Amino acid sequence: QKEVEQDPGPLSVPEGAIVSLNCTYSNSAFQYFMWYRQYSRKGPELLMYTYSSGNKEDGRFTAQVDKSSKYISLFIRDSQPSDSATYLCAMTVANQAGTALIFGKGTTLSVSS
Amino acid sequence: GAVVSQHPSRVICKSGTSVKIECRSLDFQATTMFWYRQFPKQSLMLMATSNEGSKATYEQGVEKDKFLINHASLTLSTLTVTSAHPEDSSFYICSAGTSGGGETQYFGPGTRLLVL
Repeated sequence: QKEVEQDPGPLSVPEGAIVSLNCTYSNSAFQYFMWYRQYSRKGPELLMYTYSSGNKEDGRFTAQVDKSSKYISLFIRDSQPSDSATYLCAMTVANQAGTALIFGKGTTLSVSS
Repeated sequence: GAVVSQHPSRVICKSGTSVKIECRSLDFQATTMFWYRQFPKQSLMLMATSNEGSKATYEQGVEKDKFLINHASLTLSTLTVTSAHPEDSSFYICSAGTSGGGETQYFGPGTRLLVL
């Protein structure tokens, strides 16, 4: 079992839809929970990060963490074609070098106009 | 925001040659730099973590003699793929951190390596 599970999709929605992206994890030692957006052939861009259970909102994006269920979500409201990308969840854990980021496989999102 | 650059963005080389990839933090000093590899439709896999002035820490299964990492300054780290083989073809991405915590990692644009 991988430490971080994420459905790769693809997920296709019409413009204006609410998108829900999810990850589950198995390691209780994960500390920070982040969401990255990655366009094709580009490096990941940090969208949001949270530390505790609950919701965190930033514009059209809401990150949700449920530590008891080991489940995190990213909601995108009023989705736009420019949101079409791969969304990666990632979690930090302490390792021998300091802190490591463990990524999910990424979910490919396509928003059609 | 913090900017991380990588060079080259794309490289094609013959099997058996060595390739060096540079990662630079342009507007901040990176205490820690990370190197990842991403195969098509796969997640980013951490290869190694390097702190300025010290030896890199490699993840299990990553050959340190094949993937040489140098972190000579707070703004530059290099990854050298030695004696590259076609199976080393991948997307290599670096990130730079400011406090050592994963929440402050800023990623470069990646380098696509194709070994013929």
